[in-house]
Amino acid sequence: KQEVTQIPAALSVPEGENLVLNCSFTDSAIYNLQWFRQDPGKGLTSLLLIQSSQREQTSGRLNASLDKSSGRSTLYIAASQPGDSATYLCAVTSGTYKYIFGTGTRLKVLA
Amino acid sequence: DVKVTQSSRYLVKRTGEKVFLECVQDMDHENMFWYRQDPGLGLRLIYFSYDVKMKEKGDIPEGYSVSREKKERFSLILESASTNQTSMYLCASSPSLGLGSLSYNEQFFGPGTRLTVL
Repeated sequence: KQEVTQIPAALSVPEGENLVLNCSFTDSAIYNLQWFRQDPGKGLTSLLLIQSSQREQTSGRLNASLDKSSGRSTLYIAASQPGDSATYLCAVTSGTYKYIFGTGTRLKVLA
Repeated sequence: DVKVTQSSRYLVKRTGEKVFLECVQDMDHENMFWYRQDPGLGLRLIYFSYDVKMKEKGDIPEGYSVSREKKERFSLILESASTNQTSMYLCASSPSLGLGSLSYNEQFFGPGTRLTVL
């Protein structure tokens, strides 16, 4: 059974710092991996989608990498800003219609 | 831009009431999903649908049913609401890759409905 883990559960950093969020999954046979952002009390906003054949995707200050063989993905946020404060979730798809979500990393960027 | 809308942001119902949560997407996506999100438990899939009138149980379907009469609309029904169904409910949609493929692509979420059952 696929399991997705995100460490750390919470992170506080000063503004301007570059940071890395981690996502691990137990079954490497995935179709794709998606990173989301969730603000308190809101829905999920898609940030990046990496197909299983890809190694990374970039959008602005965000870069996501995927290493299927080791069951890991990282989300790199450059020059963090207070507006980046949110919970970040990763989700993988493998063999079914559904996504398996991690429990998220709660990020706080201090001004 | 893909838009997924949900009928209510906040809803308060009483135990035993029948509750309808509506979700509409405007991008002609084949797949639609209903999740609930609870602190410490993350997102859990209740039901999903890969086509009109088609539905599949997710991980926690008990106490829920769904309806998909039109491609753009996916409804979640709580037949008799209970206090343990107090939660944030999230709807999502995604396209299929076509040609009858069972694979799928990027998921897009609605804003969520915070349901409280008293």
